[in-house]
Amino acid sequence: DIQMTQSPSSLSASVGDRVTITCRASQGIRNDLGWYQQKPGKAPKRLIYAASSLQSGVPSRFSGSGSGTEFTLTISSLQPEDFATYYCLQHNSYPPWTFGQGTKVEIK
Amino acid sequence: EVQLVESGGGLVQPGGSLRLSCSASGFTFSSYAMHWVRQAPGKGLEYVSAISSNGGSTYYADSVKGRFTISRDNSKNTLYLQMSSLRAEDTAVYYCVKEAAGEIGLDYWGQGTLVTVSS
Repeated sequence: DIQMTQSPSSLSASVGDRVTITCRASQGIRNDLGWYQQKPGKAPKRLIYAASSLQSGVPSRFSGSGSGTEFTLTISSLQPEDFATYYCLQHNSYPPWTFGQGTKVEIK
Repeated sequence: EVQLVESGGGLVQPGGSLRLSCSASGFTFSSYAMHWVRQAPGKGLEYVSAISSNGGSTYYADSVKGRFTISRDNSKNTLYLQMSSLRAEDTAVYYCVKEAAGEIGLDYWGQGTLVTVSS
Protein backbone atom coordinates (compact mmCIF):
# COMPACT_ATOMS: atom_id res chain seq x y z
CA ASP A 1 0.00 0.00 0.00
CA ILE A 2 1.06 3.58 -0.62
CA GLN A 3 1.92 5.55 2.52
CA MET A 4 1.48 9.30 2.82
CA THR A 5 3.68 11.33 5.16
CA GLN A 6 2.27 14.76 5.91
CA SER A 7 4.16 17.54 7.66
CA PRO A 8 4.07 19.39 9.89
CA SER A 9 1.48 17.80 12.18
CA SER A 10 0.61 21.24 13.50
CA LEU A 11 1.64 24.83 13.03
CA SER A 12 0.89 28.20 14.55
CA ALA A 13 0.49 31.15 12.23
CA SER A 14 -0.90 34.67 12.17
CA VAL A 15 -3.52 36.17 9.93
CA GLY A 16 -1.82 37.23 6.71
CA ASP A 17 0.98 34.66 6.94
CA ARG A 18 1.94 32.36 4.09
CA VAL A 19 1.48 28.72 5.11
CA THR A 20 2.88 25.62 3.43
CA ILE A 21 1.95 21.99 4.13
CA THR A 22 3.70 19.02 2.52
CA CYS A 23 2.72 15.45 1.69
CA ARG A 24 5.18 12.84 0.53
CA ALA A 25 4.12 9.56 -1.06
CA SER A 26 6.04 6.31 -0.54
CA GLN A 27 5.96 5.76 -4.30
CA GLY A 28 5.06 7.81 -7.35
CA ILE A 29 1.38 8.69 -7.63
CA ARG A 30 1.49 11.00 -10.68
CA ASN A 31 -0.86 13.87 -9.72
CA ASP A 32 -3.49 11.65 -8.05
CA LEU A 33 -3.76 13.77 -4.92
CA GLY A 34 -6.33 15.99 -3.29
CA TRP A 35 -6.29 18.38 -0.35
CA TYR A 36 -9.12 18.68 2.16
CA GLN A 37 -9.99 21.14 4.90
CA GLN A 38 -11.86 20.03 8.01
CA LYS A 39 -13.28 22.25 10.75
CA PRO A 40 -14.30 20.85 14.15
CA GLY A 41 -17.51 18.83 14.03
CA LYS A 42 -17.81 19.17 10.26
CA ALA A 43 -17.19 16.92 7.28
CA PRO A 44 -14.06 17.51 5.22
CA LYS A 45 -14.29 19.84 2.24
CA ARG A 46 -12.16 19.44 -0.87
CA LEU A 47 -9.92 22.37 -1.73
CA ILE A 48 -7.63 20.99 -4.44
CA TYR A 49 -7.89 18.06 -6.85
CA ALA A 50 -5.40 16.56 -9.29
CA ALA A 51 -2.63 18.05 -7.12
CA SER A 52 -3.01 21.61 -8.41
CA SER A 53 -6.58 22.25 -9.60
CA LEU A 54 -8.69 24.54 -7.43
CA GLN A 55 -12.11 23.19 -6.46
CA SER A 56 -14.94 25.45 -7.62
CA GLY A 57 -15.85 28.03 -5.00
CA VAL A 58 -12.56 27.77 -3.09
CA PRO A 59 -10.69 31.05 -2.59
CA SER A 60 -7.67 31.61 -4.83
CA ARG A 61 -5.37 32.03 -1.83
CA PHE A 62 -5.30 28.22 -1.74
CA SER A 63 -3.00 26.52 -4.22
CA GLY A 64 -1.48 23.10 -4.71
CA SER A 65 1.62 21.89 -6.48
CA GLY A 66 3.68 18.78 -7.01
CA SER A 67 3.74 15.51 -8.87
CA GLY A 68 5.16 12.07 -8.33
CA THR A 69 6.05 11.82 -4.64
CA GLU A 70 6.10 15.34 -3.24
CA PHE A 71 3.14 17.68 -2.95
CA THR A 72 2.46 21.04 -1.35
CA LEU A 73 -0.60 22.96 -0.24
CA THR A 74 -0.01 26.69 0.12
CA ILE A 75 -2.24 29.31 1.69
CA SER A 76 -0.87 32.61 0.41
CA SER A 77 -2.39 34.87 3.05
CA LEU A 78 -3.98 33.09 6.01
CA GLN A 79 -7.47 34.28 6.91
CA PRO A 80 -9.36 33.75 10.19
CA GLU A 81 -11.67 31.20 8.56
CA ASP A 82 -8.68 29.11 7.45
CA PHE A 83 -7.85 27.86 10.93
CA ALA A 84 -8.67 24.17 10.56
CA THR A 85 -7.08 20.78 9.97
CA TYR A 86 -5.85 19.91 6.49
CA TYR A 87 -5.43 16.44 4.96
CA CYS A 88 -4.00 15.10 1.74
CA LEU A 89 -5.50 12.02 0.07
CA GLN A 90 -3.78 9.89 -2.56
CA HIS A 91 -6.07 8.07 -4.98
CA ASN A 92 -3.58 6.43 -7.29
CA SER A 93 -4.64 3.05 -8.70
CA TYR A 94 -7.31 0.98 -6.98
CA PRO A 95 -8.46 1.53 -3.39
CA PRO A 96 -7.72 1.39 -0.56
CA TRP A 97 -6.49 4.95 -0.81
CA THR A 98 -4.60 6.72 1.97
CA PHE A 99 -4.80 10.00 3.83
CA GLY A 100 -1.97 11.96 5.31
CA GLN A 101 -1.93 12.26 9.09
CA GLY A 102 -3.31 15.81 9.02
CA THR A 103 -1.97 19.27 9.79
CA LYS A 104 -3.71 21.42 12.37
CA VAL A 105 -3.36 25.13 11.62
CA GLU A 106 -3.74 27.18 14.79
CA ILE A 107 -3.78 30.86 15.61
CA LYS A 108 -0.48 32.30 16.83
CA GLU B 1 -27.42 19.84 -5.07
CA VAL B 2 -25.59 16.70 -4.01
CA GLN B 3 -26.77 15.35 -0.67
CA LEU B 4 -25.48 12.35 1.23
CA VAL B 5 -27.25 11.43 4.46
CA GLU B 6 -25.86 8.69 6.68
CA SER B 7 -27.89 6.78 9.24
CA GLY B 8 -27.68 3.68 11.37
CA GLY B 9 -24.97 4.68 13.81
CA GLY B 10 -25.25 4.07 17.52
CA LEU B 11 -23.90 2.18 20.50
CA VAL B 12 -23.02 -1.47 20.00
CA GLN B 13 -21.20 -4.00 22.17
CA PRO B 14 -17.84 -5.45 21.18
CA GLY B 15 -18.38 -8.38 18.84
CA GLY B 16 -21.70 -6.98 17.69
CA SER B 17 -22.96 -5.89 14.29
CA LEU B 18 -24.37 -2.73 12.78
CA ARG B 19 -25.47 -1.64 9.31
CA LEU B 20 -24.92 1.89 8.13
CA SER B 21 -26.91 3.41 5.29
CA CYS B 22 -26.26 6.43 3.11
CA SER B 23 -29.11 7.96 1.13
CA ALA B 24 -27.93 9.89 -1.93
CA SER B 25 -29.66 12.56 -3.96
CA GLY B 26 -28.86 15.34 -6.40
CA PHE B 27 -26.80 13.23 -8.81
CA THR B 28 -27.07 10.02 -10.83
CA PHE B 29 -26.11 7.62 -8.04
CA SER B 30 -25.68 4.61 -10.31
CA SER B 31 -22.93 6.38 -12.30
CA TYR B 32 -20.47 6.91 -9.45
CA ALA B 33 -18.27 4.80 -7.24
CA MET B 34 -18.88 5.42 -3.55
CA HIS B 35 -16.67 5.23 -0.49
CA TRP B 36 -16.71 5.07 3.31
CA VAL B 37 -14.17 7.02 5.38
CA ARG B 38 -14.05 7.09 9.17
CA GLN B 39 -12.59 9.28 11.88
CA ALA B 40 -12.00 8.10 15.43
CA PRO B 41 -12.58 10.73 18.14
CA GLY B 42 -9.77 13.29 18.05
CA LYS B 43 -7.94 11.40 15.29
CA GLY B 44 -7.33 11.76 11.57
CA LEU B 45 -9.24 10.46 8.58
CA GLU B 46 -9.01 6.74 7.79
CA TYR B 47 -10.05 5.23 4.47
CA VAL B 48 -12.42 2.25 4.97
CA SER B 49 -13.99 0.88 1.81
CA ALA B 50 -15.12 1.52 -1.76
CA ILE B 51 -17.59 0.08 -4.27
CA SER B 52 -17.77 0.57 -8.01
CA SER B 53 -20.74 2.20 -9.67
CA ASN B 54 -22.43 -1.10 -10.54
CA GLY B 55 -21.41 -2.83 -7.32
CA GLY B 56 -19.26 -5.34 -9.15
CA SER B 57 -16.00 -4.37 -7.45
CA THR B 58 -15.38 -3.74 -3.78
CA TYR B 59 -12.29 -2.70 -1.84
CA TYR B 60 -11.39 -2.65 1.85
CA ALA B 61 -8.72 -1.35 4.16
CA ASP B 62 -6.79 -4.13 5.87
CA SER B 63 -8.17 -3.00 9.23
CA VAL B 64 -11.74 -3.95 8.26
CA LYS B 65 -11.23 -6.68 5.66
CA GLY B 66 -13.26 -9.78 6.47
CA ARG B 67 -15.43 -7.92 9.01
CA PHE B 68 -17.08 -5.15 6.95
CA THR B 69 -19.09 -5.48 3.74
CA ILE B 70 -19.89 -2.59 1.44
CA SER B 71 -22.88 -2.79 -0.88
CA ARG B 72 -25.29 -0.56 -2.77
CA ASP B 73 -28.82 -0.56 -4.12
CA ASN B 74 -28.90 1.66 -7.20
CA SER B 75 -32.69 1.38 -7.41
CA LYS B 76 -32.91 3.02 -3.98
CA ASN B 77 -29.94 5.41 -4.36
CA THR B 78 -28.51 3.95 -1.18
CA LEU B 79 -25.06 2.85 -0.03
CA TYR B 80 -24.55 0.43 2.84
CA LEU B 81 -21.80 -0.67 5.18
CA GLN B 82 -22.44 -3.89 7.09
CA MET B 83 -20.12 -4.05 10.07
CA SER B 84 -19.61 -7.19 12.13
CA SER B 85 -17.22 -8.43 14.81
CA LEU B 86 -16.98 -4.83 15.94
CA ARG B 87 -14.08 -3.74 18.14
CA ALA B 88 -13.50 -0.74 20.35
CA GLU B 89 -11.09 0.62 17.74
CA ASP B 90 -13.96 0.79 15.22
CA THR B 91 -15.46 3.62 17.25
CA ALA B 92 -15.59 6.57 14.88
CA VAL B 93 -17.68 8.91 12.81
CA TYR B 94 -18.35 7.17 9.50
CA TYR B 95 -18.64 9.33 6.39
CA CYS B 96 -20.25 8.38 3.12
CA VAL B 97 -18.31 9.96 0.25
CA LYS B 98 -18.95 10.29 -3.46
CA GLU B 99 -16.16 9.73 -5.94
CA ALA B 100 -15.64 12.55 -8.39
CA ALA B 101 -16.04 12.03 -12.12
CA GLY B 102 -12.89 11.43 -14.12
CA GLU B 103 -10.92 9.51 -11.49
CA ILE B 104 -10.01 12.61 -9.52
CA GLY B 105 -10.65 11.42 -6.01
CA LEU B 106 -13.46 12.18 -3.59
CA ASP B 107 -15.65 15.24 -3.84
CA TYR B 108 -18.84 15.28 -1.78
CA TRP B 109 -19.08 14.09 1.84
CA GLY B 110 -22.05 13.31 4.06
CA GLN B 111 -22.30 14.76 7.56
CA GLY B 112 -21.29 11.46 9.17
CA THR B 113 -22.82 9.03 11.64
CA LEU B 114 -21.22 8.06 14.95
CA VAL B 115 -20.58 4.43 15.80
CA THR B 116 -19.56 3.67 19.37
CA VAL B 117 -18.34 0.20 20.26
CA SER B 118 -18.41 -0.25 24.01
CA SER B 119 -19.71 -2.55 26.71
